[in-house]
Amino acid sequence: SQQGEEDPQALSIQEGENATMNCSYKTSINNLQWYRQNSGRGLVHLILIRSNEREKHSGRLRVTLDTSKKSSSLLITASRAADTASYFCATGGGGGNKLTFGTGTQLKVEL
Amino acid sequence: NAGVTQTPKFQVLKTGQSMTLQCAQDMNHEYMSWYRQDPGMGLRLIHYSVGAGITDQGEVPNGYNVSRSTTEDFPLRLLSAAPSQTSVYFCASSYRDRGSGYTFGSGTRLTVV
Repeated sequence: SQQGEEDPQALSIQEGENATMNCSYKTSINNLQWYRQNSGRGLVHLILIRSNEREKHSGRLRVTLDTSKKSSSLLITASRAADTASYFCATGGGGGNKLTFGTGTQLKVEL
Repeated sequence: NAGVTQTPKFQVLKTGQSMTLQCAQDMNHEYMSWYRQDPGMGLRLIHYSVGAGITDQGEVPNGYNVSRSTTEDFPLRLLSAAPSQTSVYFCASSYRDRGSGYTFGSGTRLTVV
């Protein structure tokens, strides 16, 4: 069963616009991570936010975490065509460093 | 620094055949894991290891075996391939500390006919 569920499943925007993706999860977590996957490639780690953090920034990425609502959002500002990819949230809380992934949001950035 | 290397990239098997998907990392990561990715299903954890000699089952372990004899290598064995195992398989590794991001391999696309 999936821990994280991303919303929306698909998102299409114009270059230069901001893209916001949401993730909801079910159980308590130690951290929440976001990954990007380009078509036919492996996943790339983008950013990690710990359960005691509320907001984190990395370049054009902004992640928020609301543990009371069991939800997170990923904001990509000033999107580029190269941002076209699938984005996954993953929650950590199991033994070792086990992560549980959501089903992903497909982002398309058009010129 | 090669990161996580998976071989082969593509494989076609006949039902009932066995094979081993190879995964190697050169980052001295303690934690390694195998996921399968199916359309609309996201990534599901098959098996994972927190260190050499230690393995455990994930969400979908049936039909797969793993071993971890060294820190670097974490092979995944399909015992008797079935069409339901047609998928893209990803190996990933990280430091054991909770809160380390994963490094993923480029994947193995497996088709069972």
